[in-house]
Amino acid sequence: KAGVTQTPRYLIKTRGQQVTLSCSPISGHRSVSWYQQTPGQGLQFLFEYFSETQRNKGNFPGRFSGRQFSNSRSEMNVSTLELGDSALYLCASSTGTGGGTDTQYFGPGTRLTVL
Amino acid sequence: AQSVTQLGSHVSVSEGALVLLRCNYSSSVPPYLFWYVQYPNQGLQLLLKYTSAATLVKGINGFEAEFKKSETSFHLTKPSAHMSDAAEYFCAVTPSGNTPLVFGKGTRLSVIA
Repeated sequence: KAGVTQTPRYLIKTRGQQVTLSCSPISGHRSVSWYQQTPGQGLQFLFEYFSETQRNKGNFPGRFSGRQFSNSRSEMNVSTLELGDSALYLCASSTGTGGGTDTQYFGPGTRLTVL
Repeated sequence: AQSVTQLGSHVSVSEGALVLLRCNYSSSVPPYLFWYVQYPNQGLQLLLKYTSAATLVKGINGFEAEFKKSETSFHLTKPSAHMSDAAEYFCAVTPSGNTPLVFGKGTRLSVIA
């Protein structure tokens, strides 16, 4: 079974621009979560989508948004980029059903650099 | 609220030596606990998870972890380190399978030949 894929793998943007990252979950998984990883803050939860609805949201400004499509693929968007948005953005997919059988599987990430 | 503390941001061991990476958690309900590994320029790979079925959990690549409720710990061990084990290791907790993972700050493991 194919794993979680993320595109693009690397991205360079300038301050003020916006960016869209894409994530394709494992086949059959309905939940997609996004995390931001930085050296200073570590891994922080952004949001989770389940069956096209945002189910959980982390403590990030409104510049960070996401959506999920009917095929469970997800995108996240960051508008008005700031230097501090430079990070590795990780996507994780799971069945979303909860309980001990549910596990989040991560993609390789998108490395965003804001200049 | 859940939280995870990983003691030691960097651990260095000799090849063939015991690996011990420490993780303590805080949770108001019985948690699900995970260890993930991250190699340079890659995403997170699941090593093992605790879901209350057994307190000693065996994972991939020879790693195992023991859940100790009285100590609120979930330390990761491997009897004999290999050069390929050099990576960053993250402990994570969630109160249920459909809530966000809360990660520790990570421990970078170096293996010396």
